[in-house]
Amino acid sequence: GENVEQHPSTLSVQEGDSAVIKCTYSDSASNYFPWYKQELGKGPQLIIDIRSNVGEKKDQRIAVTLNKTAKHFSLHITETQPEDSAVYFCAASRWYKLIFGSGTRLLVRP
Amino acid sequence: DAGVIQSPRHEVTEMGQEVTLRCKPISGHNSLFWYRQTMMRGLELLIYFNNNVPIDDSGMPEDRFSAKMPNASFSTLKIQPSEPRDSAVYFCASSPDEGPKADTQYFGPGTRLTVL
Repeated sequence: GENVEQHPSTLSVQEGDSAVIKCTYSDSASNYFPWYKQELGKGPQLIIDIRSNVGEKKDQRIAVTLNKTAKHFSLHITETQPEDSAVYFCAASRWYKLIFGSGTRLLVRP
Repeated sequence: DAGVIQSPRHEVTEMGQEVTLRCKPISGHNSLFWYRQTMMRGLELLIYFNNNVPIDDSGMPEDRFSAKMPNASFSTLKIQPSEPRDSAVYFCASSPDEGPKADTQYFGPGTRLTVL
């Protein structure tokens, strides 16, 4: 079955710097790749997603890139702010069944 | 717009007791999911409903777990009898898509279950 690996497990950056989180997936048939942000005590919040027919997608300070050949995708956050501190999860799916990575705890130091 | 609503937000119970978790999906969403989140296993899909019909329950751990969706705006996840290893955060999610393409999913705030 599908397996998603996510790195790093923790990431600490200075406010204003960029943060990059990377994921690899095993099932070449996967065609949907969402990213979720989870704050303490809250549910995962969908922040951006990309489908397999697109290589890059941007939404203000966040962007996702996809390399289908290498089976990896990345989340890029620019100009980080303290409110970006949270746990970020990547996921991959072919149909409705999202397979999640293990999460990255991002800390943005003021 | 209201998101996915779950209740209760926290539940503490004793081993052997019945636990019922509740979910109201986003209005107009015909697909509903129940997930479980633990430190050891991360986020796992338990069951998927489409138009109130269970489509995939392969993630339900065992017969102690059951889920129902009597109408488009309400679902329950029941554990009977509960065990300490059921302690986890349970999330409900809904999607505006249907069938196998219901991959864009919006999560509720979760129910933190502690079984003593």
